[in-house]
Amino acid sequence: QKEVEQDPGPLSVPEGAIVSLNCTYSNSAFQYFMWYRQYSRKGPELLMYTYSSGNKEDGRFTAQVDKSSKYISLFIRDSQPSDSATYLCAMTRYSSASKIIFGSGTRLSIRP
Amino acid sequence: EPEVTQTPSHQVTQMGQEVILHCVPISNHLYFYWYRQILGQKVEFLVSFYNNEISEKSEIFDDQFSVERPDGSNFTLKIRSTKLEDSAMYFCASRGPGASGNQPQHFGDGTRLSIL
Repeated sequence: QKEVEQDPGPLSVPEGAIVSLNCTYSNSAFQYFMWYRQYSRKGPELLMYTYSSGNKEDGRFTAQVDKSSKYISLFIRDSQPSDSATYLCAMTRYSSASKIIFGSGTRLSIRP
Repeated sequence: EPEVTQTPSHQVTQMGQEVILHCVPISNHLYFYWYRQILGQKVEFLVSFYNNEISEKSEIFDDQFSVERPDGSNFTLKIRSTKLEDSAMYFCASRGPGASGNQPQHFGDGTRLSIL
């Protein structure tokens, strides 16, 4: 079983739609959960960063962590063509200084 | 906003040659990392560095790889004798000091390494 599983997509939705991206993980030691956005030929850009279970909102983005189900989500409201990118879920075990384990990324395309 | 800077953006090297990839982390950061992403694959951890020594390394980071912080601002990754399978995007990341709860890792835009 992979440590972190993420549907690679591609996912294509119309502009203005709500997007839901998800990851599951197998190791209950993961404590810190992140979502990074990666544009083509660019580095991962941090979008959301959460510790333990619960919700976190930042503008159009909401991150959810359910540690009991080992499941994390990212919701994007009012999606824009500029949101078209690859979204990487990521997590670390003991602290945020630990190595990051990434999902394989979901390619998202927002159609104008 | 402060950012991690990597140079060069693209490096082409003959197999067997040595290559050094350069990174300037965010200025007050104390933890430094290298990750790589082979085309079409996941971003994977190579090495972490703190207090002038390696704190963790992956199986990929064998004797051909080394890291150095030669001065107060640069962080380098050296590959001594490159192989074709070293072709990948290499990302540098850094993390600030302070409590774990609010210090994520920030990434540069990477160096694309092509081994011929």
